[in-house]
Amino acid sequence: EDQVTQSPEALRLQEGESSSLNCSYTVSGLRGLFWYRQDPGKGPEFLFTLYSAGEEKEKERLKATLTKKESFLHITAPKPEDSATYLCAVQDPDSWGKLQFGAGTQVVVTP
Amino acid sequence: DTAVSQTPKYLVTQMGNDKSIKCEQNLGHDTMYWYKQDSKKFLKIMFSYNNKELIINETVPNRFSPKSPDKAHLNLHINSLELGDSAVYFCASSREGGSPLHFGNGTRLTVT
Repeated sequence: EDQVTQSPEALRLQEGESSSLNCSYTVSGLRGLFWYRQDPGKGPEFLFTLYSAGEEKEKERLKATLTKKESFLHITAPKPEDSATYLCAVQDPDSWGKLQFGAGTQVVVTP
Repeated sequence: DTAVSQTPKYLVTQMGNDKSIKCEQNLGHDTMYWYKQDSKKFLKIMFSYNNKELIINETVPNRFSPKSPDKAHLNLHINSLELGDSAVYFCASSREGGSPLHFGNGTRLTVT
């Protein structure tokens, strides 16, 4: 009953090489989609929340977009410090406060 | 100025032992959570408390028992530890259900 699927599993980028991460979800009646960044040995760090199709959020080199079936996290001109695992999660429609997480995309940006 | 802190960071113990993990948040949030991250990196919710009241209790063995003495603290007690309990356990808090979660840095539990 996978509700959240992220692709690719891993992504290796050269510094400055823009790319996008995908998060597809199957829940109906989306009540919120969250993007987090996780560094090794650390807890996930909140980046964005998106609620409705067409919504976009930006923070520095990151931009998150949302459609009715998926979300994209665009990384523009990445730097080595953008290396991390990026996690997508959706709010469970039946249990307020419960997030369903994807497995994440591990991003490595090399100088 | 740590927002969500949990201790210990590492916990190595033998099968059959009982152990506890402590969590404290200084964000003034009303809701706290325990999540488990397994070897495949999936984060799965275990429990959620709102103002010391249990809200979410996933299908977790009853060897796991959360305790919330006040809304700033949520501890996790694990009895009769098994090899399969080895994982990273994350505490988190949010202003309310549905708000973004703020995570601690995790407790890596290794059961030998």
